[in-house]
Amino acid sequence: EIVMTQSPATLSLSPGERATLSCRASRSVSSSFLSWYQQKPGQAPRLLIYGASTRATGVPARFSGSGSGTDFTLTISSLQPEDFAVYYCLLDYNSWTFGQGTKVDIK
Amino acid sequence: QITLRESGPTLVKPTQTLTLTCSLSGFSLSTSAVGVGWIRQPPGKALEWLALIYGDDDKRYRPSLRSRITITKDTSKNRVVLTMTIMDPVDTATYYCAHTAYDSGGPGAFDIWGQGTTVTVSS
Repeated sequence: EIVMTQSPATLSLSPGERATLSCRASRSVSSSFLSWYQQKPGQAPRLLIYGASTRATGVPARFSGSGSGTDFTLTISSLQPEDFAVYYCLLDYNSWTFGQGTKVDIK
Repeated sequence: QITLRESGPTLVKPTQTLTLTCSLSGFSLSTSAVGVGWIRQPPGKALEWLALIYGDDDKRYRPSLRSRITITKDTSKNRVVLTMTIMDPVDTATYYCAHTAYDSGGPGAFDIWGQGTTVTVSS
């Protein structure tokens, strides 16, 4: 079983700052099957990034994904008020596994 | 426009069987390139993938729950059903169904989600 570990658990930043979120796999995986999601309180998750680096339809350019092998990163270049939320990575390896999430909150 | 909507009981008793339905609109679950998954989220906790079915009836299950869950589809009625046996209070969660397709959102990614349905397990 592959375990996805996200860090940090909480990221406290101010609007306008850059956010860097990490997702690490317990062994090397294909980046084609790595995706990122944003979830706000009381809402369903929203797909942001798939294939590790491709933005989903309608996702602002300030969101970017990168990485390969075991280490993947979601970057928000300049935090907007609506970006404060919980972010999850997800890996599909014929069985899906989510990371435990990173909460981005207002400093 | 693709939409998914979950339905089912809001309250089940311990040891009972839960049956949830995901009603599909805007697409047909009829090819191997399209799938519908179930994901749950206990209150205040992380997302947890449960099961997925592809249009060619290929099925995948969370290994730790394999003995308790079954996923099926009814293409004629455009729905996917999740059954979970021997429900326990730790199964209390919001249950989501979600769409995945190779040509939208990429392989393995869930690009469209239902709004979720909350299930409480309590006597």
